Amino acid sequence: DIQMTQSPSTLSASVGDRVTITCRASQSIAYWLAWYQQKPGKAPKLLIYEASSLQSGVPSRFSGSGSGTEFTLTISSLQPDDLTTYYCQQYHSYPITFGQGTRLEIK
Amino acid sequence: EVQLVESGGGLVQPGGSLRLSCAASGFIFSSYWMSWVRQAPGKGLEWVANIKQDGSEKKYVDSVEGRFTISRDNAKNSLYLQMNSLRAEDTAVYYCARYPVSGPIDYWGQGTLVTVSS
Repeated sequence: DIQMTQSPSTLSASVGDRVTITCRASQSIAYWLAWYQQKPGKAPKLLIYEASSLQSGVPSRFSGSGSGTEFTLTISSLQPDDLTTYYCQQYHSYPITFGQGTRLEIK
Repeated sequence: EVQLVESGGGLVQPGGSLRLSCAASGFIFSSYWMSWVRQAPGKGLEWVANIKQDGSEKKYVDSVEGRFTISRDNAKNSLYLQMNSLRAEDTAVYYCARYPVSGPIDYWGQGTLVTVSS
């Protein structure tokens, strides 16, 4: 199974900050990586697919990069609505696996 | 508008069974793989199972293989998850999700809570 490791687990930041979350795969997944945002009590929302493609309707302050085993999600200017939890997911091979999550909190 | 509505969750004793359903609308259901993903209380996301458009291929996470069965009825635009031999560690919110051919999951239902406890 491919293990996905996110860092950090918790990130404290201020509104307006540039924020970066990292996701590492235990083996190469090419660009088969997605990022999701999940707010408390709600279903996850797809932000990024194929490592760097922005899902329709997602604000352009979100961007993704990387390939192989190392990936990043960047929020260019953090907004209050962004303070929640983010997950990476690999869909290169079964079983599909998620990172453990990164919680963004206010500094 | 894509809509996925789960039902069938509830409280069940260890060793018991439960069948989850998901009603899909707003897209051509028979054109998509479909998924079940779960989330234990306060924990992260865990993919559970996928099923191909015509039901001919099914994939499972090891922890549910042999106990859970994913199925679909394209005539009813419905997805199912039959869960047998339930364990306490199966307690979670179960999400139905749409999985385009090349992935990833792009739409999720609101989830249904399954609690396994005596």
